[in-house]
Amino acid sequence: RKEVEQDPGPFNVPEGATVAFNCTYSNSASQSFFWYRQDCRKEPKLLMSVYSSGNEDGRFTAQLNRASQYISLLIRDSKLSDSATYLCAVNSPPRSGGYNKLIFGAGTRLAVHP
Amino acid sequence: SQTIHQWPATLVQPVGSPLSLECTVEGTSNPNLYWYRQAAGRGLQLLFYSVGIGQISSEVPQNLSASRPQDRQFILSSKKLLLSDSGFYLCAWSVMDSGAGTDTQYFGPGTRLTVL
Repeated sequence: RKEVEQDPGPFNVPEGATVAFNCTYSNSASQSFFWYRQDCRKEPKLLMSVYSSGNEDGRFTAQLNRASQYISLLIRDSKLSDSATYLCAVNSPPRSGGYNKLIFGAGTRLAVHP
Repeated sequence: SQTIHQWPATLVQPVGSPLSLECTVEGTSNPNLYWYRQAAGRGLQLLFYSVGIGQISSEVPQNLSASRPQDRQFILSSKKLLLSDSGFYLCAWSVMDSGAGTDTQYFGPGTRLTVL
């Protein structure tokens, strides 16, 4: 089982639609969670961190479900400019010493059409 | 504010040639630095990370190496490139936010390498 898994999509939605992505993780000790947006042939850019209580930034809402070990990203009122690949990232605490690294999912592609 | 630079932006190299990619960060001190590779249509693969000058940890065996000669400079190298080294190479930096308990990573613009 991969440490972080995402549905690759693509999710094809019309403008104005609401769309949600999930990202599951396998390490129950993970404490930090993030969503990144990556445009074609560009670097990933931080969209938002995901807090235990959930957080909202405009049309974007992120949620964390520790019991089921997944995070979600909800996009309301989709815009054409939201078309991109959305990567989730989860920290992977070391079992004994070592570095607390970030594991990325392979991304979910979103295509918003007129 | 912090900025991260990578060069070159694109590179086409023959198999067997050497490689040197550079990454520099401005506006922060003692950052954690990372090299990732993203193959076409694939996820990010962590190659190296560094928590300080001269401190390099390798994540996967390969014919690449990394060095950190200065606090805010990270270099990815190879003596002889393979076809499989083609990909999008991304440098990232982070600084631990002890208050929030998070270590958020920010990426440079990347170098697109094609090995022929």
